[in-house]
Amino acid sequence: QVTLRESGPALVKPTQTLTLTCTFSGFSLSTSGMCVSWVRQPPGKALEWLALIDWDDDKYYSTSLKTRLTISKDTSKNQVVLTMTNMDPVDTATYYCARMLAVAACDAFDIWGQGTMVTVSS
Amino acid sequence: EIVLTQSPATLSLSPGERATLSCRASQSVSSYLAWYQQKPGQAPRLLIYDASNRATGIPARFSGSGPGTDFTLTISSLEPEDFAVYYCQQRSNWQLTFGGGTKVEIK
Repeated sequence: QVTLRESGPALVKPTQTLTLTCTFSGFSLSTSGMCVSWVRQPPGKALEWLALIDWDDDKYYSTSLKTRLTISKDTSKNQVVLTMTNMDPVDTATYYCARMLAVAACDAFDIWGQGTMVTVSS
Repeated sequence: EIVLTQSPATLSLSPGERATLSCRASQSVSSYLAWYQQKPGQAPRLLIYDASNRATGIPARFSGSGPGTDFTLTISSLEPEDFAVYYCQQRSNWQLTFGGGTKVEIK
C-alpha cells in the first residue's frame, strides 16, 4: 500500500523559511520512472503545483516560485523535503505531497498525502 | 506557461443525469491531461490520465476525451458521491498547471 504523509510547522512568520517533509512508503524513489511533487491549495482556491523531483534526482520548479523553492530527497529515509523561503501571508495554504504516475511519465499525480495546513502570520 | 480554463464554474444537476465538464488549454498539451475529483476536506483523487485512461479503481461512468487543446470529462450518470469539485491538470515542458475547477452540485 502506497502512503505519503506531510509534516512541518502549522504556523510560520512572514519572511521565515518553511521546511516541509514528505515521508512515504510502499514505493522507492530510486526506482526508474518514479517522481514526487509538492502541490498547494489556498483556502477555497484551486490547486497549484510547486516542485517535482524524480528518481534520477532531476528537479523541476514552478516558474513563478522557482527562486524561493528547493526540493530534495533522501532515498534511504523515503523522504522528500521542500523548502520555501521568504514566506508571505499569501502562501497560507494546505501543502500536499503526491506521487506521480510512473506509467504516464510523471504527468499525473496518482497518490496524495492528506495535506498539511500552513498559516503565515505574525 | 500553459493556462487551463475550465467551464462551467458550477454545474447544477440531479443524480442520474449526465455531466459534461470542459477544460481548454491555451496551447496544445498533446495527451498530457489529467482529471481529479476533490471533496471538502480531502485530497484530490486521480480519475483520468493521458486524456482518456481511467486510473485504478475508477468506475466506468467516468470517461475523458482529448487530445490537443479541448478536453472533456464526462460522468455518464451521476451518483450521489460524484458531487464534488473537479480539476484538470497538464504537464508540458516540465511545467504543470491546474485549471480553476468545476463544482458539480446537486440541483
